[in-house]
Amino acid sequence: NAGVTQTPKFRVLKTGQSMTLLCAQDMNHEYMYWYRQDPGMGLRLIHYSVGEGTTAKGEVPDGYNVSRLKKQNFLLGLESAAPSQTSVYFCASSFIPLESGQGKDTQYFGPGTRLTVL
Amino acid sequence: LAKTTQPISMDSYEGQEVNITCSHNNIATNDYITWYQQFPSQGPRFIIQGYKTKVTNEVASLFIPADRKSSTLSLPRVSLSDTAVYYCLVGPYLISSGSARQLTFGSGTQLTVLP
Repeated sequence: NAGVTQTPKFRVLKTGQSMTLLCAQDMNHEYMYWYRQDPGMGLRLIHYSVGEGTTAKGEVPDGYNVSRLKKQNFLLGLESAAPSQTSVYFCASSFIPLESGQGKDTQYFGPGTRLTVL
Repeated sequence: LAKTTQPISMDSYEGQEVNITCSHNNIATNDYITWYQQFPSQGPRFIIQGYKTKVTNEVASLFIPADRKSSTLSLPRVSLSDTAVYYCLVGPYLISSGSARQLTFGSGTQLTVLP
C-alpha cells in the first residue's frame, strides 16, 4: 500500500513549455486534490475531483487543467508554463464520509513535486 | 469560507505541553476543524479533526469552545521531532461535483522544539 504517489519529484521547465504531473493513489479514494505551496505559505487548492470523470475548480485554477480518467489517477497539466507557476505541488486524496453529518474528510498527501519555471 | 488566523511561530522545550490556537470567527454551521502537520519537503499529515467540545487521539487533543470561533491544538510532552508547521483547516466535510470548495490552509504555525 503506497498511499499517494507523485511523478516526477522534480522538474525544471522553460517558459512556455508544457508538462503533466501525475498523482496516483491506491486507497480507492473518491476525492482527489491538487494544491500548490509557495515558499513560506500555506497550500492553495488548484483543482479537485469528487470521482472518476469529474473535476472542479479550486481557489487558483488559472493556467492549469486536470483530468480524472481513472479513479486512482489525477493528472495536473500546465499547457504553457510561466515563472509564476514555480512552486511545490501536492496531490491529496480522501474518502467520502460514510455517514451524513460525520466529518471524516481526512486528506492523505503525496510527497510533492518541486517545479521550477525559468 | 471561514478564514483562519494562527500565530506565525512558537517555541517550546522538550517535554512541555504546547497549545496552538486558531481563530475562525466566520465558521459555518457545517464546518469541521482539522489540523495538519507538515515537515520540510513533505506533504501535510492529518493530526486531528473535530466539530465541537473536545477530541483526543493518540497524538493530540483538540479543544473547541461552544461558540466554535476558535480551536486549540494541544500537543502533550513535545519532542524535537515535533518541530514542524501546523495548519488549521476549517471547511465543510462534504463536497459535490460543481460546488466550489475552497480549501485554504493559511500560513500555519511554525513550532520549534528546543532541547
